[in-house]
Amino acid sequence: AQTVTQSQPEMSVQEAETVTLSCTYDTSESDYYLFWYKQPPSRQMILVIRQEAYKQQNATENRFSVNFQKAAKSFSLKISDSQLGDAAMYFCALQGGSEKLVFGKGTKLTVNP
Amino acid sequence: DTGVSQDPRHKITKRGQNVTFRCDPISEHNRLYWYRQTLGQGPEFLTYFQNEAQLEKSRLLSDRFSAERPKGSFSTLEIQRTEQGDSAMYLCASSGGGDTYQETQYFGPGTRLLVL
Repeated sequence: AQTVTQSQPEMSVQEAETVTLSCTYDTSESDYYLFWYKQPPSRQMILVIRQEAYKQQNATENRFSVNFQKAAKSFSLKISDSQLGDAAMYFCALQGGSEKLVFGKGTKLTVNP
Repeated sequence: DTGVSQDPRHKITKRGQNVTFRCDPISEHNRLYWYRQTLGQGPEFLTYFQNEAQLEKSRLLSDRFSAERPKGSFSTLEIQRTEQGDSAMYLCASSGGGDTYQETQYFGPGTRLLVL
């Protein structure tokens, strides 16, 4: 069975600062994908960043970057220059061996002005 | 490209009633997924279609649940004899087609179901 664990139910950051959200996962698949999704309050889930497991280079999308440690099965998300609009639930997700996504329980990020 | 749409956005029903939700995927996406999200949890996979074929179903999808995608475009999810435990957000996602990243799933706004 595949699992995704987000050990931080809540995190907070000051505007313009940097924050890192943690995610660990478990899979027996050799080929898989990892994702971070953002779900603002009462709004739909949107993709933040994706990572192919076969790529060693960490993915980056503007202020968002990941630290992918394959051997440790760790996939953390770093948000630089945090903005008020970054406040949301962040979900880490794994896709491998089938089409379905397996999600963690999420981390609620608060951005303080 | 208008994104994934879902209808209705909210549904309140009484226990024992049947409800049906609709999902319209991103045009040309050949894969469509249903997930259920309860309060404070991440989404859980229910079922997946490639074109009109239902290829995978979760054990969460009891015999009261049925999903269809008759023409490989929109999909419906029906819950018969609703129970209070069915109260949740039902999310639809789509992927594939001509996208560069065919495995990436794009989500709709969800249908929030409340069973009284």
